[in-house]
Amino acid sequence: DGGITQSPKYLFRKEGQNVTLSCEQNLNHDAMYWYRQDPGQGLRLIYYSQIVNDFQKGDIAEGYSVSREKKESFPLTVTSAQKNPTAFYLCASSIWGYNEQFFGPGTRLTVL
Amino acid sequence: KNEVEQSPQNLTAQEGEFITINCSYSVGISALHWLQQHPGGGIVSLFMLSSGKKKHGRLIATINIQEKHSSLHITASHPRDSAVYICAVSYDKVIFGPGTSLSVIP
Repeated sequence: DGGITQSPKYLFRKEGQNVTLSCEQNLNHDAMYWYRQDPGQGLRLIYYSQIVNDFQKGDIAEGYSVSREKKESFPLTVTSAQKNPTAFYLCASSIWGYNEQFFGPGTRLTVL
Repeated sequence: KNEVEQSPQNLTAQEGEFITINCSYSVGISALHWLQQHPGGGIVSLFMLSSGKKKHGRLIATINIQEKHSSLHITASHPRDSAVYICAVSYDKVIFGPGTSLSVIP
């Protein structure tokens, strides 16, 4: 089945550690996105990528890094520089230039 | 002021009731989206519309471009409709509203 997978669903890390969240899609979409969701707030864009080996900062990129070495994969690293990393992280993909995005199931990150 | 606002923030309904969730926005858009987020966190796209009205099963979405307003209606609500409903608008980027948490009680 076509879709987006994120792993793991729940992730716990100690403060000061970097952690990488996985996002894989088999929809053959060019564009991929990372969002952060906090209680009572709308999704906020962290990074997006229109094409392999290219990515752009979103509205809240500080403390995060990404890579796009393959069309199918867009991993997000939450670095120790991110001051408040505990949140729900959602990955999405779309045909570039087309508005509809398809979302993965999300990863809930808790930093202890 | 947020670019996308939703009302109500929380909504509890009895099974069978007609439900309306509202979305207002302040920017020029190319499309408006209604999304459903289940308790587990996964998000499903319900509608994408740029004018008029769309219907899918018991769900109806309308948009008034001049008034910068959209509504999502659920007819004959059911407990399985319990979820967070998110309005999002797209122009050169996508902006998400804060969501409306709906609980339908049997």
